[in-house]
Amino acid sequence: NAGVTQTPKFQVLKTGQSMTLQCAQDMNHEYMSWYRQDPGMGLRLIHYSVGAGITDQGEVPNGYNVSRSTTEDFPLRLLSAAPSQTSVYFCASSYSIPQRGGRETQYFGPGTRLLVL
Amino acid sequence: AQSVTQLDSHVSVSEGTPVLLRCNYSSSYSPSLFWYVQHPNKGLQLLLKYTSAATLVKGINGFEAEFKKSETSFHLTKPSAHMSDAAEYFCVVSGGGNQFYFGTGTSLTVIP
Repeated sequence: NAGVTQTPKFQVLKTGQSMTLQCAQDMNHEYMSWYRQDPGMGLRLIHYSVGAGITDQGEVPNGYNVSRSTTEDFPLRLLSAAPSQTSVYFCASSYSIPQRGGRETQYFGPGTRLLVL
Repeated sequence: AQSVTQLDSHVSVSEGTPVLLRCNYSSSYSPSLFWYVQHPNKGLQLLLKYTSAATLVKGINGFEAEFKKSETSFHLTKPSAHMSDAAEYFCVVSGGGNQFYFGTGTSLTVIP
């Protein structure tokens, strides 16, 4: 198993550009999520999905869109990049859905470092 | 509501001495608690987790943590620090909701 994969590893954007961060997992996990990591703030949840066709907002969703057409893929779209979106983005997945009482570990991808100029 | 407070943003220890990274949590539910480690420019790796079984949890690389409900704490310890332990450590709480809540992280420096 490759686990959770993310592409690209690094990206530089100009303000106003759009792009998609890719995330895929091959573990047949129901639950997938996107976080951003900023210095001194830990990881903050952007969006999450509890299964194909179902997504919801996390703590910091503004400026980002997601979709989940398959179990494996969960892309994150930046509609119009802003310097405030400079961050490291992590995708994660887990087998069971937390609100169903699942205690499963989340598995993280290696991250995408994004710089918005 | 759930939250996590990591009491130290930075901890520095000498190689071979004990490590203590402190974490307090707040949860309206019976929580699951996790410690993750992040080495520089790497992703997050699970060290250990507590899921309402034994209160003393053993993880990888000699780390362990004890769940203390009365103190709402889940401190991470290791008897003897190694240079390879230098990293960022995150305490995470989950349970009853649909999110994992991360602490702000503790940066561990190991002095040779």
